[in-house]
Amino acid sequence: DGGITQSPKYLFRKEGQNVTLSCEQNLNHDAMYWYRQDPGQGLRLIYYSQIVNDFQKGDIAEGYSVSREKKESFPLTVTSAQKNPTAFYLCASSIRTAGPSYEQYFGPGTRLTVT
Amino acid sequence: AQTVTQSQPEMSVQEAETVTLSCTYDTSESDYYLFWYKQPPSRQMILVIRQEAYKQQNATENRFSVNFQKAAKSFSLKISDSQLGDAAMYFCAYRSSAKIIQGAQKLVFGQGTRLTINP
Repeated sequence: DGGITQSPKYLFRKEGQNVTLSCEQNLNHDAMYWYRQDPGQGLRLIYYSQIVNDFQKGDIAEGYSVSREKKESFPLTVTSAQKNPTAFYLCASSIRTAGPSYEQYFGPGTRLTVT
Repeated sequence: AQTVTQSQPEMSVQEAETVTLSCTYDTSESDYYLFWYKQPPSRQMILVIRQEAYKQQNATENRFSVNFQKAAKSFSLKISDSQLGDAAMYFCAYRSSAKIIQGAQKLVFGQGTRLTINP
């Protein structure tokens, strides 16, 4: 089945450690996105990528880094510089970034807890 | 910058009845897209319905329909014949239609409305 996978579902880390969240899609989508979800705040865009080896910062990129070496993969690293990393992280993809009525498909998410 | 506001943190409805979720947005653009996403307890985001701003006709998908008021910048979601499976967080989202502009591809989300269905 085509879709987006994120692993693991739950992730625990100690403060000061970097952690990488995985996102893989087999939909042959060009664009991929990372969102952060906090209670009562909806989703906020961290980074997005239109094509391989290219990505742009979203609204809350500080303390995060990404790479896009393959079309199928868009891992997100939460660095120790991120002041409040505990959150639910959602990865999404779309067939193209611009154009009418495109839909973003979302993965199941990763719940990161940093203590 | 565009903003999306959902003023109802929580709503509840009796099974089989109709409920309307509110959404307002702020933009200076004339062409854009609006979406309603559903997030059930599994936390998987699911697209419910979309609306192109240039279309006057309100979008409909089975039991889900919207009331799009462009001048008022309002985009409400109506759920008819509510079912237990409709219980979820509902998010309204905005996307610019502008091409190849920094950040144009992003979705701007509201804070969400938690919908409870009472049996």
